Amino acid sequence: KQEVTQIPAALSVPEGENLVLNCSFTDSAIYNLQWFRQDPGKGLTSLLLIQSSQREQTSGRLNASLDKSSGRSTLYIAASQPGDSATYLCAVNSGYSTLTFGKGTMLLVSP
Amino acid sequence: GAVVSQHPSRVICKSGTSVKIECRSLDFQATTMFWYRQFPKQSLMLMATSNEGSKATYEQGVEKDKFLINHASLTLSTLTVTSAHPEDSSFYICSAPSQTGPSYNEQFFGPGTRLTVL
Repeated sequence: KQEVTQIPAALSVPEGENLVLNCSFTDSAIYNLQWFRQDPGKGLTSLLLIQSSQREQTSGRLNASLDKSSGRSTLYIAASQPGDSATYLCAVNSGYSTLTFGKGTMLLVSP
Repeated sequence: GAVVSQHPSRVICKSGTSVKIECRSLDFQATTMFWYRQFPKQSLMLMATSNEGSKATYEQGVEKDKFLINHASLTLSTLTVTSAHPEDSSFYICSAPSQTGPSYNEQFFGPGTRLTVL
């Protein structure tokens, strides 16, 4: 059974800092990995999708890497802003499009 | 990216009543949709896979007679919580995967439905 762990559970940084969120998964036989953002009481916004054959994806200030063999992914956020404050979820697709989610990292960026 | 909508966004009902939640893919077709549940400060847990034209597949521990799923068309899936009780109060979110293009198999989520059962 796939298990996804995210570290840290919470993170508080001043505006402008670069930061890294970590995600690990137990079964390396995955189709893809997706990073989401969730604001309080809201649904999920897809940030980045990394297919199993890829090693990284970039979108604006976000960069996600994937090391499938070691079961790890990182989400790098450059020059953080208060608007980046949210919970970031890592989810692994192990087949049939069903996702296994981590518990998330709650990020707070202070002005 | 693709857009998924949910209706209603929020519902409050009395114990024992049934509640229907709709999930629509607005600009793409989805033969498969997924229903998740999220309790406060918890992550999302998959409840069931909704399949257009066939029966839904439920995850272990999810009562199929309590959570009725109907995938009426390629753009609509509904989740009906029957005889709702306070313990069913939760945040219900649906998703649908893109089945074409560079974002193939990327999951797009609806905005969620907050259910409160009194």
